[in-house]
Formats: sequence, C-alpha cells, structure tokens
Amino acid sequence: GAVVSQHPSRVICKSGTSVKIECRSLDFQATTMFWYRQFPKQSLMLMATSNEGSKATYEQGVEKDKFLINHASLTLSTLTVTSAHPEDSSFYICSAKSGGASTDTQYFGPGTRLTVL
Amino acid sequence: DQQVKQNSPSLSVQEGRISILNCDYTNSMFDYFLWYKKYPAEGPTFLISISSIKDKNEDGRFTVFLNKSAKHLSLHIVPSQPGDSAVYFCAASAKGRGSTLGRLYFGRGTQLTVWP
Repeated sequence: GAVVSQHPSRVICKSGTSVKIECRSLDFQATTMFWYRQFPKQSLMLMATSNEGSKATYEQGVEKDKFLINHASLTLSTLTVTSAHPEDSSFYICSAKSGGASTDTQYFGPGTRLTVL
Repeated sequence: DQQVKQNSPSLSVQEGRISILNCDYTNSMFDYFLWYKKYPAEGPTFLISISSIKDKNEDGRFTVFLNKSAKHLSLHIVPSQPGDSAVYFCAASAKGRGSTLGRLYFGRGTQLTVWP
C-alpha cells in the first residue's frame, strides 16, 4: 500500500516552455500533497504544500507564479513549471499524506528529472 | 537554519555488521521522526518512524532509538546487507497549532555503503 506515482519520470524541454508534472496516490486518498526539489548532494527542499480543493502554501523564496500547483482531487496534484529556464533544471519529487494530524508519514513518488535546455 | 542535522555525510560498513546512522535536531517541538532510504534518481522510501512518546521502535533489521533529552535519534541496521547501500534521510515533524499540514524537516542525508 501507500504507492505514489509521478509522470513523467524524465523530461527535457526548451527554455521558455512550460512543463507539467503529475503526482498521483494510487491506493489511498491524499489529503495533503507536498512538492520538493532536490539539488545534487543536497537534502530535499520543500517547495509547497497543497490540500485538495484549496490553494497551495508556498515556502519562502518559491515563486508561486512560476511553480503552479493544482490539487484537484484526493489522488492527483500537478506542478507546472512555467516559462522554464536552465536554472529550473532539477529533480522534483512529490509526496502524499493521508489521514489527519495523527498520521505524519509521507509517501514519496519516484521523482521527475527536469532538464531545461 | 538546519533544524535536522545528519553530521556524517557517509558511512562504510562491512556486510553482516551493524550500521548506525545518527541524527540530531534542534526544535523541541518535534514529536514525530522518520527515516527514509533513497537511491539515486528515485524518490525516498519510508523505512521506519517513531513517536516522541517512545524511545525505541523496531521493524525487522531496522531499529530507531530516540533520546529526547539529547535531541538525538539513531537508526540501527542489523545485519547490514549490500542492498542497504543508499542515502538515508532523517526527518522530523511537529504536530499542534500551525503544523497540521504535517510538514517534514529533512537532514542532508548519510550515504551508507555496505561492502561484502
């Protein structure tokens, strides 16, 4: 149980284009989903937190107009990198959490490698 | 400011021996701790967790110990196997007002290498 998928696993795009990454919880309903970014040899950096049906909460320093997050259902959240630039190239990982405050275990997707040329 | 710290970037252990990965935290509000295992170009995999009301939790070869007074936790893997070679992340969260979203704070990770 607790499987989270991400699509695509790898994407290469030209500078200035937009890229959408999907995150799905396959066998549970995710009340909350999180989007992370990982730089080489660094820890996971939380970008934003989203609850189904409400606006995402962005971490300080993360541009909400550049990284659009939609959490349309209890099993799907999307991250759209708008007008991507080479510095946006990174490994993006989502995670999902079910249940209430008593359940803090997050289950992670396999990640998406974004390369912007 | 790094609220969760893993001061050892790497650890090398012989197969069959014990691996001990350490983690320290600074925020006394943290009350739930997790360990994740991560292979390159993959998402982290949940391993084991512990609530602050306990000082030990065991699951097969994995045991997590929590020392609240020292704000320290450790992950023991016994016996270590070559397939355990990966980066291990320690994470913490705090319940209560303002924390109902269950945000996790991660350490920078420790690369464990288990050699035959």
